[in-house]
Amino acid sequence: DAMVIQNPRYQVTQFGKPVTLSCSQTLNHNVMYWYQQKSSQAPKLLFHYYDKDFNNEADTPDNFQSRRPNTSFCFLDIRSPGLGDAAMYLCATSSGEGDASNQPQHFGDGTRLSIL
Amino acid sequence: GQNIDQPTEMTATEGAIVQINCTYQTSGFNGLFWYQQHAGEAPTFLSYNVLDGLEEKGRFSSFLSRSKGYSYLLLKELQMKDSASYLCAVVDSNYQLIWGAGTKLIIKP
Repeated sequence: DAMVIQNPRYQVTQFGKPVTLSCSQTLNHNVMYWYQQKSSQAPKLLFHYYDKDFNNEADTPDNFQSRRPNTSFCFLDIRSPGLGDAAMYLCATSSGEGDASNQPQHFGDGTRLSIL
Repeated sequence: GQNIDQPTEMTATEGAIVQINCTYQTSGFNGLFWYQQHAGEAPTFLSYNVLDGLEEKGRFSSFLSRSKGYSYLLLKELQMKDSASYLCAVVDSNYQLIWGAGTKLIIKP
């Protein structure tokens, strides 16, 4: 049973053309995360939501925006993709209840974004 | 700054044992995770340590020494499907997850 679902698995867009990646979850988790991961690198946290509370990482470019219309869905909008934005984009969730330190993050399969 | 160090790549033989090390320097410590990531796929949770010592889970074990800022993941009876990257991640004092770049493990027959 897929619990964190990302669509599409592969996305191709043109340089400068806006693109939206989607994530949904059936875990009813409070926290949702968006990561960018390039080959052989650590996942880089872009932002996360604790419920409706949005938290942007200081070094996340303004080009990246996010929306969370309800508990189940979260979107990543890239307003003007550049060649450097080609990467795997990972959505993850965690419970957010009780002791936050020991809650593993549950990942979707990711969306691999290519820029032409 | 915050830093997680892991070897970039390791090679081992099917059926053998391998130990993947992770050292960290972070602002505070609230636990350490190990994740497995197959090529082109998402990370999957393997283990969590917050107290010193060894946690065993089947063929995989994870060890933590907080005083040394050190952890290792031990994989026994290696199988070809264990070929993957193994990422170490530390929860800092702000409950942020700090990720290592991962160790690519290559299993040879």
